[in-house]
Amino acid sequence: SYVLTQPPSVSVAPRQTARITCGGNNIGSKSVHWYQQRPGQAPVMVVYDDSDRPSGIPERFSGSNSGNTATLTVSRVEAGDEADYYCQVWETGSDQTVVFGGGTKLTVL
Amino acid sequence: QVQLVQSGAEVKKPGASVKVSCKASGYTFISYYIHWVRQAPGQGPEWMGIINPGVGSTNYAQKFQGRVTMTRDTSTSTVYMELSILRSEDTAVYYCARDGSRRAPSGYMDVWGKGTTVTVSS
Repeated sequence: SYVLTQPPSVSVAPRQTARITCGGNNIGSKSVHWYQQRPGQAPVMVVYDDSDRPSGIPERFSGSNSGNTATLTVSRVEAGDEADYYCQVWETGSDQTVVFGGGTKLTVL
Repeated sequence: QVQLVQSGAEVKKPGASVKVSCKASGYTFISYYIHWVRQAPGQGPEWMGIINPGVGSTNYAQKFQGRVTMTRDTSTSTVYMELSILRSEDTAVYYCARDGSRRAPSGYMDVWGKGTTVTVSS
């Protein structure tokens, strides 16, 4: 089955840029979606289809996807961005399935 | 506004079954697929399956096939997820989430319920 690999943690100072990676075999050929999850809350989609942003999500959140790595970039990081972030793909082969990455804890220093 | 409202917390004994509901509002119920995702304590999300509320067709993750059943009631805009033969490892928060694309699943989940905590303990 397809595997998505994320770093367990990323730390960044306020107002700096955080980059969270999601590795997968030829992930650039797939559509990658990203979710933010604060403690005790449901996930919230922050980027879909590699780089599109849902309404209500700040422009500070952006995404890219190429080769074997997809990246979520959070610019001008704020204290409120501290959360777990998960990447996700939709596998449409013989057996349709959703795959999530293991998650990255973003810590704002 | 678009929202998914889930049923309340459940405590079950090993070997029992649990049925979680998810009531949709604010959009055309039959036009968007619904995913079920669970999250064990301290773990990441785990996909369980998807249902097409329009016709009731389902696709379950291989791990749960034979133990999970997803159904819907179009008269109340509600989908259900039933998990049987519960074990302690099924202790988790169970979420329903709307697929973001009309009529055909895109795989991304744009609206989530708040989650239902299911505890399996003897």
